[in-house]
Amino acid sequence: NAGVTQTPKFRILKIGQSMTLQCTQDMNHNYMYWYRQDPGMGLKLIYYSVGAGITDKGEVPNGYNVSRSTTEDFPLRLELAAPSQTSVYFCASSYIAGANEQYFGPGTRLTVT
Amino acid sequence: AQKVTQAQTEISVVEKEDVTLDCVYETRDTTYYLFWYKQPPSGELVFLIRRNSFDEQNEISGRYSWNFQKSTSSFNFTITASQVVDSAVYFCALSEATKLTGGGNKLTFGTGTQLKVEL
Repeated sequence: NAGVTQTPKFRILKIGQSMTLQCTQDMNHNYMYWYRQDPGMGLKLIYYSVGAGITDKGEVPNGYNVSRSTTEDFPLRLELAAPSQTSVYFCASSYIAGANEQYFGPGTRLTVT
Repeated sequence: AQKVTQAQTEISVVEKEDVTLDCVYETRDTTYYLFWYKQPPSGELVFLIRRNSFDEQNEISGRYSWNFQKSTSSFNFTITASQVVDSAVYFCALSEATKLTGGGNKLTFGTGTQLKVEL
């Protein structure tokens, strides 16, 4: 199993550009999550999904969008990139609710200049 | 609202020393789960342990041990005989039983403790 994979690993965007961060998991997990990690901070939840076709906002959703058309994929879309979106983005998945640990992808380091 | 505090921003030790990373949490739920994750310099997040609120037994895994005390709302992590490979940022996280819409657990992370183990 590859677990949770993310592409790209690094990206530099200009202000106002758009891009999609890809996330795929092969563990047949229902739940998937997107976090951002800013320097010296913990992770903040951007969006999450509890299954194909179902998504909802987390703590910091502004400036982002998601979709979940399949169990495996959970892309994160940045529209009109801003310097405040410079961060490391992590995708994660878990099997069921509550007690289960989340498994994280390797992260995408995004810089907006 | 749930909250996790890791007051130690950075800890430096010499190899073979024991080190304890502190984690204090706040929650109104009686059912919750606590986690520790390791983030090595390579950047990925590695799951280390999960503990539920009804199980206060301490746990030992090799050089790692965890002390869960509900009375003080703490879930501390001790590394015995530290090694250079233990150098990483360690995150404590809390998941309440109160679910996100439709299920799923919202993890609240502390700000992490940077551990540096030197020769």
